[in-house]
Amino acid sequence: EVQLVESGGGLVQPGGSLRLSCAASGFTFSTYSMNWVRQAPGKGLEWVSYISSSSSDIHHSDSVKGRFTMSRDNAKNSLYLQMNSLRAEDTAVYYCARASSLDYWGQGTLVTVSS
Amino acid sequence: EIVLTQSPEFQSVTPKEKVTITCRASQSIGSSLHWYQQKPDQSPKVLIKYASQSISGVPSRFSGSGSGTDFTLTINSLEAEDAATYYCHQSSTLPQTFGQGTKVEIK
Repeated sequence: EVQLVESGGGLVQPGGSLRLSCAASGFTFSTYSMNWVRQAPGKGLEWVSYISSSSSDIHHSDSVKGRFTMSRDNAKNSLYLQMNSLRAEDTAVYYCARASSLDYWGQGTLVTVSS
Repeated sequence: EIVLTQSPEFQSVTPKEKVTITCRASQSIGSSLHWYQQKPDQSPKVLIKYASQSISGVPSRFSGSGSGTDFTLTINSLEAEDAATYYCHQSSTLPQTFGQGTKVEIK
């Protein structure tokens, strides 16, 4: 069974940092591209970042470019999102999702940026 | 950036009715269009990928069609459990984008 489990969310002050993780199981992680998608409270879905299976291709949305860095460790079946210089507008549930079609999603982890 | 415009934004429907949600892209995206269902306090779940490809485990009443700029999600014979918000998403061109969502309410 495919499982994606996010962790690392929490309350952080503006300007602070957090590192999200996504643990993958039930499939050959190293052969799939992955994405981070977020959803602000009461709002729609917003794509954040993409990474190819080998990490050769990484892309971020303009809203997080220069502040967020996506990475993966295929040996550990894990995905990461390093978030720096956090702003109030980054407050959201962050989901990891598999492949270009986002065919599996984790349960999400809540990031709250507030003083 | 490719803008996806869904319509309607809200629909109130009686059980067994047919529901049609459209998603229009601001430029051609081929068939790289996917549909998701999200119920309150749950993660999104894929219903249809690449415009019309069905997903194992998704009820057959859900179907998708279209290519280029115009796409449709159809729910035949709506059931009470289908109350949710539905999103389209394009993976053709970065940045990937989502439609604004269509909330389906059961009368």
